[in-house]
Amino acid sequence: QKEVEQDPGPLSVPEGAIVSLNCTYSNSAFQYFMWYRQYSRKGPELLMYTYSSGNKEDGRFTAQVDKSSKYISLFIRDSQPSDSATYLCAMWGRNSGYALNFGKGTSLLVTP
Amino acid sequence: DTAVSQTPKYLVTQMGNDKSIKCEQNLGHDTMYWYKQDSKKFLKIMFSYNNKELIINETVPNRFSPKSPDKAHLNLHINSLELGDSAVYFCASSLRPGGVTEAFFGQGTRLTVV
Repeated sequence: QKEVEQDPGPLSVPEGAIVSLNCTYSNSAFQYFMWYRQYSRKGPELLMYTYSSGNKEDGRFTAQVDKSSKYISLFIRDSQPSDSATYLCAMWGRNSGYALNFGKGTSLLVTP
Repeated sequence: DTAVSQTPKYLVTQMGNDKSIKCEQNLGHDTMYWYKQDSKKFLKIMFSYNNKELIINETVPNRFSPKSPDKAHLNLHINSLELGDSAVYFCASSLRPGGVTEAFFGQGTRLTVV
């Protein structure tokens, strides 16, 4: 079992919809939870991160972490066609070495 | 100015060849990484250097050899290329090891072995 699991999709939604992207994990030592966005043929770019449990909001994006369930979410409100990309969750904790642990990424398509 | 730049962006080569991918970062970061992204988009760490010292050396074939001439550069040399090496290779950097919250990725090198 991989440490970080993420449904690869694809997920297709109409413009304006609320999108929910999720990851589960098995390593209870993870403390930092990141969401990266990767456009086609580009490198991943950090969208936002959360430390430990709780919510974090940035514009149309909200990240949630539930450490008790080992479950994280990214919500996108009022989704736009420009949000079409692959979204990768990544995690790190003191016992996970020097590298981030990535999920497989969820491919999102927002149709006009 | 590109923060993390890789060359080449595309690389098509025959099986058995030796090739190199170069990476440079102008962020003043101490730590650099090589990741491999397979056809299913899974990003897997290969190597990491911190201030020219190897700190991550995952289980990859020893045909892959990283080299860091200085902390702003991390190159990847691949010997005797195989079909299974076809993937996108990403270089990344962070201020310190772990790259938590601050890892910057290059645009990737799409390697196709034929």
